[in-house]
Amino acid sequence: EAQVTQNPRYLITVTGKKLTVTCSQNMNHEYMSWYRQDPGLGLRQIYYSMNVEVTDKGDVPEGYKVSRKEKRNFPLILESPSPNQTSLYFCASSLYNNEKLFFGSGTQLSVL
Amino acid sequence: AQKITQTQPGMFVQEKEAVTLDCTYDTSDQSYGLFWYKQPSSGEMIFLIYQGSYDEQNATEGRYSLNFQKARKSANLVISASQLGDSAMYFCAMNLINFNKFYFGSGTKLNVKP
Repeated sequence: EAQVTQNPRYLITVTGKKLTVTCSQNMNHEYMSWYRQDPGLGLRQIYYSMNVEVTDKGDVPEGYKVSRKEKRNFPLILESPSPNQTSLYFCASSLYNNEKLFFGSGTQLSVL
Repeated sequence: AQKITQTQPGMFVQEKEAVTLDCTYDTSDQSYGLFWYKQPSSGEMIFLIYQGSYDEQNATEGRYSLNFQKARKSANLVISASQLGDSAMYFCAMNLINFNKFYFGSGTKLNVKP
């Protein structure tokens, strides 16, 4: 089944404790991206990647890192999480830029 | 600057009636794509419809159509014959092709009444 797999689904952590949210797609998509969803703000793009080893900042990249070492994986790294990073996070992929995005099921992150 | 504006935080519609969800966008780029996504209460994001900036015909997908008015920079979603299962949050999004970035609106929560 074609899908974007995100893990974990829920995550509670404490300020400053490094964490990684994994994202994997099995559709051989070139374009992958991360978003955070906050009430009243919709989704905001954090980082995106056009292909392996090609990543760039979205609208709200501060406090986040990404890597694209393999085409299928695009992990989101919070090296020192803070409470203002409490949010619902989505990974998404598409065959190319400007094609419909396939979304993962989301990760609800709480930073205490 | 807000690139996508959805001015209706919440809307109600009677079952079987049509409803229009508003979306305006702001860009000086000529090459862009416009998308609508549905997010039910379960949280997943579902693609509904796409319109390219150079497409002359309005996009349609089943009960969904996109009313694209380029000069007014609007991309309203029209849902015909609303169903109870249409109750969800709806997001309008724009992709700036030359910058590879996506921008989403703040969403409209649609409630379909029986």
